[in-house]
Amino acid sequence: EAGVAQSPRYKIIEKRQSVAFWCNPISGHATLYWYQQILGQGPKLLIQFQNNGVVDDSQLPKDRFSAERLKGVDSTLKIQPAKLEDSAVYLCASSPGTSGHTDTQYFGPGTRLTVL
Amino acid sequence: AQSVTQLDSQVPVFEEAPVELRCNYSSSVSVYLFWYVQYPNQGLQLLLKYLSGSTLVESINGFEAEFNKSQTSFHLRKPSVHISDTAEYFCAVISTGYSTLTFGKGTMLLVSP
Repeated sequence: EAGVAQSPRYKIIEKRQSVAFWCNPISGHATLYWYQQILGQGPKLLIQFQNNGVVDDSQLPKDRFSAERLKGVDSTLKIQPAKLEDSAVYLCASSPGTSGHTDTQYFGPGTRLTVL
Repeated sequence: AQSVTQLDSQVPVFEEAPVELRCNYSSSVSVYLFWYVQYPNQGLQLLLKYLSGSTLVESINGFEAEFNKSQTSFHLRKPSVHISDTAEYFCAVISTGYSTLTFGKGTMLLVSP
C-alpha cells in the first residue's frame, strides 16, 4: 500500500512570496490533516478535512493560509504571503475513518519550508 | 484545555539498556493517548495508543506504555533498546469533547553501541 505522498520535499522562498504544498493521501482514506511543525515543537493541526468538507480549521491563519481538498482526494495548502515565522515542516496525514482523532493517522514525509 | 508535557528533549542510552520516555498530560475529562515515532528522514508513525480497557498497551517492537490516571501520565518504556530505536518520540492526547490532537514537543532517543 502506497503511503501519504507530499511534494515538494523542500522549499526556500523569500518573505512575502507565495508557496503551495501538495498532498496525496492513502487511497480510500476519508480524513486528511495538515499540520505545522516548527523546529523544537510538536506538530500543530492547521486544518482537517473529512472527504472534501472542512471539519476543523480553527488554528489556520486564514489571512494568509488556505487549503482545499477537491473531489475528496488530493489536497493543497497555500501560504500567501509568507512570513519568516512560517518556516517549518508542513505535514500531511490521512486516516481511513471518520471517527476523528482516535483513528490512526498516517503521515507523509513532510515539506520543509524556509522563508528568508 | 488539554496539553502534553515531555520533559526530556533528549535521552541518550546505551544499546541493550532499559529506557523510559516520560509523558504527562493535562485534561479535566477523559482522554485518549498516543505515542508516535519519527525515524530519521521518515514521517511520523503510530507506535501505540490507549483508547480504553487495559491501561497497559504494547507495540509490536517491544515498547509499552501505561496509562496512569492518578498521575496523569503515559510513560513509554522498553526493557532493552536497539540502535534501530534511535528516533524522535512524540506523545499526543485528545480529550473527550475536543476535536484536536495535541502533541508534545518530542523526545529524541539516542541509542549508542
